[in-house]
Amino acid sequence: DAKTTQPPSMDCAEGRAANLPCNHSTISGNEYVYWYRQIHSQGPQYIIHGLKNNETNEMASLIITEDRKSSTLILPHATLRDTAVYYCIVPRPENYGQNFVFGPGTRLSVLP
Amino acid sequence: GAGVSQSPRYKVAKRGQDVALRCDPISGHVSLFWYQQALGQGPEFLTYFQNEAQLDKSGLPSDRFFAERPEGSVSTLKIQRTQQEDSAVYLCASSLGRAEQYFGPGTRLTVT
Repeated sequence: DAKTTQPPSMDCAEGRAANLPCNHSTISGNEYVYWYRQIHSQGPQYIIHGLKNNETNEMASLIITEDRKSSTLILPHATLRDTAVYYCIVPRPENYGQNFVFGPGTRLSVLP
Repeated sequence: GAGVSQSPRYKVAKRGQDVALRCDPISGHVSLFWYQQALGQGPEFLTYFQNEAQLDKSGLPSDRFFAERPEGSVSTLKIQRTQQEDSAVYLCASSLGRAEQYFGPGTRLTVT
């Protein structure tokens, strides 16, 4: 996998935007960026993914830099339920199983 | 529709016992993955199935670990002669081919 680097932890005030950065400087041209989150005692939850264009869905927005070496996941109005570990993953497209390599992620704490 | 389900949710085994963990993927999902998650760490890939074929088992930690998916739907992860280091959460995920993976809630295995 393209190595990803994320800050170990972040705090965000409830109702404010949470911006979670991820560096993936060795990403290849055909590799996607995926974001997952894991709330305590639950399985990882898919959030969003993208290749080069910015993406938005009902959960979040994904901003990918033009050189694709970094991205930011944006939760526009964080709630207490968004407290979780957030994982940025770049799977290897040539990997037959497309197995995702989860790093330590960013532990986001949304504070009241 | 129903998501990925796993059973049991919790399993306590004495060292040396055999255990079997079940995964029911989302209906129609061709791909199925097993992960192991130790406390405080991200999930780690164990094995991958496409339909009934096990195409990648590179992550299985020893020959005590065995997975099967005989009819291309339900999968079972079996651990023989459990050891204390096998204590972890075992996660199952499914996907439509090379797409985002959807995870189950996991089975927490404690070996005493």
